[in-house]
Formats: sequence, structure tokens, C-alpha cells
Amino acid sequence: QKEVEQDPGPLSVPEGAIVSLNCTYSNSAFQYFMWYRQYSRKGPELLMYTYSSGNKEDGRFTAQVDKSSKYISLFIRDSQPSDSATYLCAMSYGGATNKLIFGTGTLLAVQP
Amino acid sequence: ETGVTQTPRHLVMGMTNKKSLKCEQHLGHNAMYWYKQSAKKPLELMFVYSLEERVENNSVPSRFSPECPNSSHLFLHLHTLQPEDSALYLCASSPRSTGGRPEAFFGQGTRLTVV
Repeated sequence: QKEVEQDPGPLSVPEGAIVSLNCTYSNSAFQYFMWYRQYSRKGPELLMYTYSSGNKEDGRFTAQVDKSSKYISLFIRDSQPSDSATYLCAMSYGGATNKLIFGTGTLLAVQP
Repeated sequence: ETGVTQTPRHLVMGMTNKKSLKCEQHLGHNAMYWYKQSAKKPLELMFVYSLEERVENNSVPSRFSPECPNSSHLFLHLHTLQPEDSALYLCASSPRSTGGRPEAFFGQGTRLTVV
């Protein structure tokens, strides 16, 4: 079983739709949860960061963490064509190296 | 611009060549990482350096050899690679290697093709 599971998509939505992206994980020791956005031919850029359970909002983006279900989500409101990218979830339990464990990424296409 | 710069952006090399990838971070971070990104696979952590010391090597073949001369620079030396090593190689840095926020900041990557 992979430590982090993420549906690779592709996910296609019309402009203005609410997008829901999700990851599940198996290691209950994860404490830090991140979402990265990666445009084609670019490196991943940090979008949202959450520590432990709860919600975090930043503009049109909301990150949710449910540690009891080992489930994290990223919601995008009023989606725009510029949101078209691959979204990667990543997790860490801190530790000596703070290494990140990534999902495979979900390819999102927002149609104008 | 994330403050992490990788060169070259693209590299094509034969299986008998020797080449090096370079990464430079201008963020004052003290941990640096090499990741490999292949199609339809999660990012794979290759190496972690903390304060210029290698602290993790994820069973990477010896044909990949990292070097961290100081906390701002990271290299990945390549020799006798195989076609399956073709991928996007990403460098990242983070503020601290232990404790605190673990988020990493990535460079644009080097697209490597082995022929």
C-alpha cells in the first residue's frame, strides 16, 4: 500500500466551478500537510500548508485535514483557466530530515 | 521565481557520458534535497543534505553522486546512466532540517533525457 494515495485524474471542470482535490494516507504519524501546484514544465510551488487537523483558507483556496480519517482535501472556489495544473499533496512527520512524501498528483483542467 | 535556481534546464546525454546538475538557493535555507519526478509516479526523494552533510540516501544507484560544497549549492553528478533514468530532476530547499515547518521550495527542474 502506498503511503499517500491521490487520484491522478485528469479532472476537467468548467470555469467558475468548485473543485475538490483529495488525498488519503496510511501513516498516522504525519503531522504536516501541504498542497503544491505544478504547471507544465515547471517545478512545484507551495500553495497551502497545514499543521495537524483543521481548515485553512487563503483566497479562493481552502485546505482541510481530517486526521481521524487520514484524509486531506483542497477546495478551489470560482475556478479559473489559470488554475489548470497538476496539484500534488505532500506530507511529513518532521523528524531528522523533514522529508516530504508526495502523492502522484491530480491533473486539473479548467475549461473557459 | 522561488529563489531556487537549477541549471541546465534541459540535458540530453549518452549512456557513457558524465554530466552534472547544479542547484543554487538564495533563501538562506540549510537543508537541500534532490527529487526525481517520472511520469505518473510520485516525486521520489533521492538525497537530503542538512548543513552540508548528507543525512539521507534513499537507495539511489551509485551512478548518481551528490555533492554539497556549502549550504547554498548542491550538485548531482551523473555517469553511465540508463534510459530509465530519464526524468525531471528537482532540487529543493527548506528552512530547517529538523523541527518547524517542513515545506520545501523547488527549483524549475532539469529535464534529463538519456539516449
